[in-house]
Parts: sequence; C-alpha cells; structure tokens
Amino acid sequence: QVLLQESGPGLVKPSETLSLTCAVSGNSIGSDYYWGWIRQPPRKGLEWIGSIYHSGSTYYNPSLKSRVTMSVDTSKNQFSLKLSSVTAADTAVYYCARSTVTSRDYFDYWGQGTLVTVSS
Amino acid sequence: EIVLTQSPATLSLSPGERATLSCRASQSVSSYLAWYQQKPGQAPRLLIYDASNRATGIPVRFSGSGSGTDFTLTISSLEPEDFAVYYCQQCSHWPTFGQGTRLEIK
Repeated sequence: QVLLQESGPGLVKPSETLSLTCAVSGNSIGSDYYWGWIRQPPRKGLEWIGSIYHSGSTYYNPSLKSRVTMSVDTSKNQFSLKLSSVTAADTAVYYCARSTVTSRDYFDYWGQGTLVTVSS
Repeated sequence: EIVLTQSPATLSLSPGERATLSCRASQSVSSYLAWYQQKPGQAPRLLIYDASNRATGIPVRFSGSGSGTDFTLTISSLEPEDFAVYYCQQCSHWPTFGQGTRLEIK
C-alpha cells in the first residue's frame, strides 16, 4: 500500500519561504514514477506546482517556477518543496502525490494534504 | 497555458440518475485528459486517465469520452457516495485543472 504524508509548518510569514516534505512508504521513491506537489486554496480548485524524478530532474509550473525548488532524498524515501517569497495568495492545502506508471502528469496516490497559512 | 472550462458549475441530481459532466479545453489536448473526484476534507481520487481509461478500482459506472477539446465524464447510475466535486485535468502541456463541477443531491 502506497502512502504519502506531508509535513511542515502550518504557518509561514509573508516574504518567507514555505518548506514541506513528503514521506513515502510502500513504494521506493527510486522507482519509475514522478513525484508531484499540487495545491488547493481554500474553497478553490487545484493547481499543479511541479514534479520531480528520483534522479533529481524537475519541471515546474511556469507561473511559479521562479519561486519553486523541489528536491528528493532517496536515502529517506522522501521529497521536498520550497516556495520562496510567499504571500497570502499562497495560502492553500498542499498535497504531495505520485504519478501513474503511464504518465508523469496523472496522479494516482495522494497524501492527505496539509494546510499552510501565510500570515504575519 | 491550456485553460479547462467545466460545465455545469453545479449539477443537482438524484441517486439512480445519470450524470453527464463536461470539460472543454482552450486548445486541443488530444486524449491527455483525466478526471478526479474530490470529497470534502479528502484528497482528489483519480477516476479516468487518457480520456477514457478507468483507473484501478474505479467502478464501471464511471466512464469518460472525448478527444481534442471536448470531453465528458458520465456516471451511469448515481450512488450516494458519488456526490462530490469533479475536476478534469490535462497534461498535453504542463498540467492544468478545470475549476470543478459540484455534483449535489437533488
């Protein structure tokens, strides 16, 4: 059974950097999947942030690219997200997810999500 | 950016009825389209990928069709657990999602 669990601060101050980690169990992060981050502002829709492969290869949403950094730690079977210079518009539930085997951009396993609020 | 427009915004139906949800893309996405179901407080669940393929464990009452710019998710006979928000997602270019259709009990 594949499980993903997000962790990180629930409150971040404006202009600071949001940092989240996704711990994966039941699946080696070194296997042939991409690992992604998707967010959902309160009462709104879904926005893909970016995805990473175990090699470290990344691709990001162009609208967020200048502020996003993703990394992977195969020894801990986890991957991470950093989003810099946050504003209130970055307040959202952040999900980590695993891609399907057939496409790097469909997601079949998701974490439960973690709410990050940007506020002073 | 490829924009996905879902309609209707809200669909009110009764259990046992047939639901038809639409998703239109601002440009062709071929068949690179997925559908997700999301219930309150839960993560999205992949239902359909590549426009018409059911994901593992998804009941046969869920079906997807379409290609190019126009896509449809059909639920043949609504069960009580099907009332939720449904999102389409394209991956022809970098992934984007539609704004969602809320399927509510009439």
